[in-house]
This record gives sequence, structure tokens and C-alpha cells, in this order.
Amino acid sequence: DIQMTQSPASLSASLGETVSIECLASEGISNDLAWYQQKSGKSPQLLIYAASRLQDGVPSRFSGSGSGTRYSLKISGMQPEDEADYFCQQSYKYPLTFGSGTKLEIK
Amino acid sequence: QVTLKESGPGILQPSQTLSLTCSFSGFSLSTYGMCVGWIRQSSGKGLEWLANIWWNDDKYYNPSLKNRLTISKDTSNNQAFLKITNMDTADTATYYCALWERDFDYWGQGVMVTVSS
Repeated sequence: DIQMTQSPASLSASLGETVSIECLASEGISNDLAWYQQKSGKSPQLLIYAASRLQDGVPSRFSGSGSGTRYSLKISGMQPEDEADYFCQQSYKYPLTFGSGTKLEIK
Repeated sequence: QVTLKESGPGILQPSQTLSLTCSFSGFSLSTYGMCVGWIRQSSGKGLEWLANIWWNDDKYYNPSLKNRLTISKDTSNNQAFLKITNMDTADTATYYCALWERDFDYWGQGVMVTVSS
């Protein structure tokens, strides 16, 4: 199985601050990486697919980058509604695997 | 508009079989390229992928659950199903179904399943 190591586990940011979350895959995943946002008590929502492509309707302050085994999600200008858990997920190979998540809070 | 909704028993006892239904609208699982998956999340924990079923009836399972999983579909009634045998307290979780287009693009609201004697 491909292991997805996500960091940090938690993060606190001020409004307007730029934050980054990283995922490291245990082997190359050829940009087959997605990022999800999960707000408290809600289902996950797809933010980014194919490592860097923004899902329809997602604000442009969200961006994804990376290649090979290292990927990151950036939020350029933290907003109150961005307080949530974030997960990465690889779809390069079955079984599909998720990162352990990052809890992002407002400072 | 794509919607998905999970349904299940809520509570069951250890060793019983869990049967979950995903009722969806806005797409057909008989259409080329469509796929529905099941994912679960234990309270306060991360996400665990369980199984996918494709429009052509190809099925993929998480080997960590060994041979306990069975995924199926009823395209006429726009439903997908997941059975998990020999349930244990460790299987207590919220279970989601989701439509796979680019990734898991659309998710249901989830159904909470508690395993308790």
C-alpha cells in the first residue's frame, strides 16, 4: 500500500495568513493526488484534483502543487470559513489511501 | 444535480453483517466511466477507503478488510450497496458513499454505524 504522510497534524493561522500543508507519498504517485476539506460535522469536499487542478466552485486562494512523492496545499490568505480538517488522498494505485489529516484553526 | 444518501441500520451487534445502501440521483452507474466508492471515518479519526464499483461492474476492495467486503449496484434503481461481514466494535464509524469522477467529487451526508453488544 502507498502510505501518505501528512504534516502538520494541526496548524493555527491568523486571518489573511498564508498556510501550507504537505503530503509525502511512500512512492511516486504521478500527480494522482487530491485534497479534501472537511468542516466540523460535514462530509469531505473535493478541493484539488490531479495535484494542482482546482475543483469547480473552489475559491482561487486554494492551490495545489508538487510532483513525484511530495505535494502541498496552499491557502493564500486564511479566511474564517477555511477552519476545517484537510486530507490528501492518492489515486495512483489501489488501495486508495488518505493522509491522516491536518486540523486548521484560526489563531 | 448530483446527490447521494447513505442508509443503514444505525446499531448492530458484534459478528453481525452490516448492509449499507447508497441512493443517488443526477447520474447513472450504467454510464461509461462512472464509479461509486465507500469510505468510512471513525470518530475524530481519518478517512479509510473501503471499496469502489465501476459502471462496467469492476470492483476494487481494501485488502486490509480481507474478505469481509462485498460491493454491488442496482443501476435500474440508482443504488449501490456495501456489505461488511463479522462486524466488530472497531468498525464503529461514519460510512460515506461518494461519486468518483476526477476523484471523490460528490459525497453523501454519511451514516453513523455503531457496533455494540
